[in-house]
Amino acid sequence: SQQGEEDPQALSIQEGENATMNCSYKTSINNLQWYRQNSGRGLVHLILIRSNEREKHSGRLRVTLDTSKKSSSLLITASRAADTASYFCASGSARQLTFGSGTQLTVLP
Amino acid sequence: KAGVTQTPRYLIKTRGQQVTLSCSPISGHRSVSWYQQTPGQGLQFLFEYFSETQRNKGNFPGRFSGRQFSNSRSEMNVSTLELGDSALYLCASSLEDTRSGNTIYFGEGSWLTVV
Repeated sequence: SQQGEEDPQALSIQEGENATMNCSYKTSINNLQWYRQNSGRGLVHLILIRSNEREKHSGRLRVTLDTSKKSSSLLITASRAADTASYFCASGSARQLTFGSGTQLTVLP
Repeated sequence: KAGVTQTPRYLIKTRGQQVTLSCSPISGHRSVSWYQQTPGQGLQFLFEYFSETQRNKGNFPGRFSGRQFSNSRSEMNVSTLELGDSALYLCASSLEDTRSGNTIYFGEGSWLTVV
């Protein structure tokens, strides 16, 4: 079953714009991981943010975490057509990850 | 170093048959887990192995089974295939499950079509 919801379910933007995706989860977490999935491919790990961190950056990615609201957001700045993919958040551990429903991002050239 | 390797990448099976999927984790990783992804149910956890022991199992029927070998490689088996088993099966590996958490890496997946 899905741990939480991702919002929006689909997002379409122009190249160069920023994309923001939100994730909510239901139970307490030690960390949250974000993944990208291109159509028909596996999951590519983007970033892990720990429960004691509020913000983390990696290149054009910025992830925030608000444990009081049980939510996280992923910001992709200066988006490119190659960023077109589905994005998932996942909570849990190696024993079991629970995924959000994902956001389908389309970046138009 | 090499990532998580899954074989085969694509396969087609007939209802009632059985299938075995293979996963080689990243070198040094001892935790291997499996997930099923379908359009309707999303990503669902199947099971996780650590040092050849199944530590956790998801809510799937007994037709779904797995194992892990001493070299950490893992296989999952689905017996008596049903049409609804058509899915992308993803394998993931991690160094070790610690309280603070480790990055969990996924393979490219095995696309199973049951006809």
